[in-house]
Amino acid sequence: GQQLNQSPQSMFIQEGEDVSMNCTSSSIFNTWLWYKQDPGEGPVLLIALYKAGELTSNGRLTAQFGITRKDSFLNISASIPSDVGIYFCAGQLGNNDMRFGAGTRLTVKP
Amino acid sequence: DAMVIQNPRYQVTQFGKPVTLSCSQTLNHNVMYWYQQKSSQAPKLLFHYYDKDFNNEADTPDNFQSRRPNTSFCFLDIRSPGLGDAAMYLCATSREGRGTDTQYFGPGTRLTVL
Repeated sequence: GQQLNQSPQSMFIQEGEDVSMNCTSSSIFNTWLWYKQDPGEGPVLLIALYKAGELTSNGRLTAQFGITRKDSFLNISASIPSDVGIYFCAGQLGNNDMRFGAGTRLTVKP
Repeated sequence: DAMVIQNPRYQVTQFGKPVTLSCSQTLNHNVMYWYQQKSSQAPKLLFHYYDKDFNNEADTPDNFQSRRPNTSFCFLDIRSPGLGDAAMYLCATSREGRGTDTQYFGPGTRLTVL
């Protein structure tokens, strides 16, 4: 299947720092989604992007749908300890066809 | 309020002993999905239902079956669990399953196979 390349694989940052992660692909996606997964829990939707070029914020989180429809980034500003977790990007190619990135594991040091 | 509910949250079964995981939703969505997620990996789609229409992924083993008796409930049956089936099983829903519809996940059931 079409691959989503998510980077970085892991990040170790100090509390208060800003974080940036991204996903790229060779395929064009209809929708980009960003999820956060805490240990032992299901993924929780953070931001959904529907239009090329769309920039959307959710509190300290900002995500953009790339203009080519082949990439997306997620920024977290002023990180706090509860931001710890695994962040997945997901792109929807078509009906019932969602592809996941491999995830970015975020560690925040107090 | 919980929208996608999975029970139990933790399930232990013995090698070869059939097990059923359940999912229910209060969103009235037409599509329900089952994913398998192994440690440190992304979720992998096993199959989905659009209403009562069952759609299997090509590489989903026959050992995995599913039932959807009504809009709200969907079950994952593992007929003969092997050690390699130990994983987190995630249920998700989508309004119509279109490429522009968001998928919402439940909290997952962690399956241990002894």
